[in-house]
Amino acid sequence: DGGITQSPKYLFRKEGQNVTLSCEQNLNHDAMYWYRQDPGQGLRLIYYSQIVNDFQKGDIAEGYSVSREKKESFPLTVTSAQKNPTAFYLCASSLEGASLKGSTEAFFGQGTRLTVV
Amino acid sequence: EDQVTQSPEALRLQEGESSSLNCSYTVSGLRGLFWYRQDPGKGPEFLFTLYSAGEEKEKERLKATLTKKESFLHITAPKPEDSATYLCAVQAPGYQKVTFGTGTKLQVIP
Repeated sequence: DGGITQSPKYLFRKEGQNVTLSCEQNLNHDAMYWYRQDPGQGLRLIYYSQIVNDFQKGDIAEGYSVSREKKESFPLTVTSAQKNPTAFYLCASSLEGASLKGSTEAFFGQGTRLTVV
Repeated sequence: EDQVTQSPEALRLQEGESSSLNCSYTVSGLRGLFWYRQDPGKGPEFLFTLYSAGEEKEKERLKATLTKKESFLHITAPKPEDSATYLCAVQAPGYQKVTFGTGTKLQVIP
């Protein structure tokens, strides 16, 4: 089955620790995204990548870092610089890049819920 | 700046009671408008993409329509399993970024 796999489903972080959230897709999609979801707010874009070895900051990139060494993988690191990391994190992918005409929907993973303890 | 406003925030329906959810948007041109369904603790599930005013798409009890300023998600004779949060999002031309609304939480009571 093709899809997007996020792991772990639940993650607990101590103050001052960095943690890495995994996102893998086997849909052969070029673009991948990380969103953060908080109660009462829309999904907010953290980082996105349109191609391997390239990524761009989204609206709330401070305190986060990413890498895109393989087409299938787009891990997100939540650093100790992120002041309020407790949230539901969603990874998504889509087929086409922004340079192409038309639009394409993004498909989401099942999310990782991060809690600071 | 692109903006998406969804209303109502929450909607409670009796089983079989049809209704509509609204998504008003402001975007510099429109590359695509998306509807998603999200169950609690899960990732959003893609429903529809609409590209231009006048376009309509249907799936089971759901029908999405689009004008130049808003989109509606019509739910006909809903069932309890339709209970979820429905998200609307827009994408501007030339950008990969998608702007999401805060969603409408739908509860369908048997």
